[in-house]
Amino acid sequence: EVHLLESGGGLVQPGGSLRLSCTASGFSFGSYVMNWVRQAPGKGLEWVSVISSTSGNTYYADSVKGRFTISRDNSKNTLYLQMNSLRTEDTAVYYCAKRGEDPCFDFWGQGTLVTVSS
Amino acid sequence: EIVLTQSPGTLSLSPGERATLSCRASQSVDSSSLAWYQHKPGQTPRLLIYGASNRATGVPDRFSVSGSGTDFTLTISRLESEDFAVYYCQQFGSSAVTFGQGTKLEIK
Repeated sequence: EVHLLESGGGLVQPGGSLRLSCTASGFSFGSYVMNWVRQAPGKGLEWVSVISSTSGNTYYADSVKGRFTISRDNSKNTLYLQMNSLRTEDTAVYYCAKRGEDPCFDFWGQGTLVTVSS
Repeated sequence: EIVLTQSPGTLSLSPGERATLSCRASQSVDSSSLAWYQHKPGQTPRLLIYGASNRATGVPDRFSVSGSGTDFTLTISRLESEDFAVYYCQQFGSSAVTFGQGTKLEIK
């Protein structure tokens, strides 16, 4: 059974940093593209970033480009999101999501809440 | 970047009725790169349909998608109580991914 578990969320001041982790199990983690998606309070889903299976390619939404860095450690079955220069508008539940064989996100974690506030 | 616009923002219907949700793209989209999700409060988003018309595992056949080019429609043929949720369409570009803003399906 596929399982994705995010951690690392919390309260941080504007301008601060946070690193999220997503630990995967139940599938061959190193073979799949992984993503981060967020949902701000009362808002819809927003794609944040993607990383290829071997970390060779990464892409970001314009809203986080230059501030967030996605990475992965396939030996630890873990996906990361390093978030720097955080802004109040980055407040959201952050989900990691596995890309399927076809273009889709077939499995999602439960999410971790990041609150950026002074 | 392709922008996806969903309508209506909110749809109020009763169980047993038919629901029609629209997803319009700012430019033509390959239907194989389109997916739909169901999201309930406090739960993780659930994949419903991918490749424009393929239902994910466990998704009942009352859910279907039609359309091509820039206009796509998610239809729920006979609403059941568990179908009331927010629905998102999603498109995969060459690098970025975009979601529509969502349609909230609420009980009338």
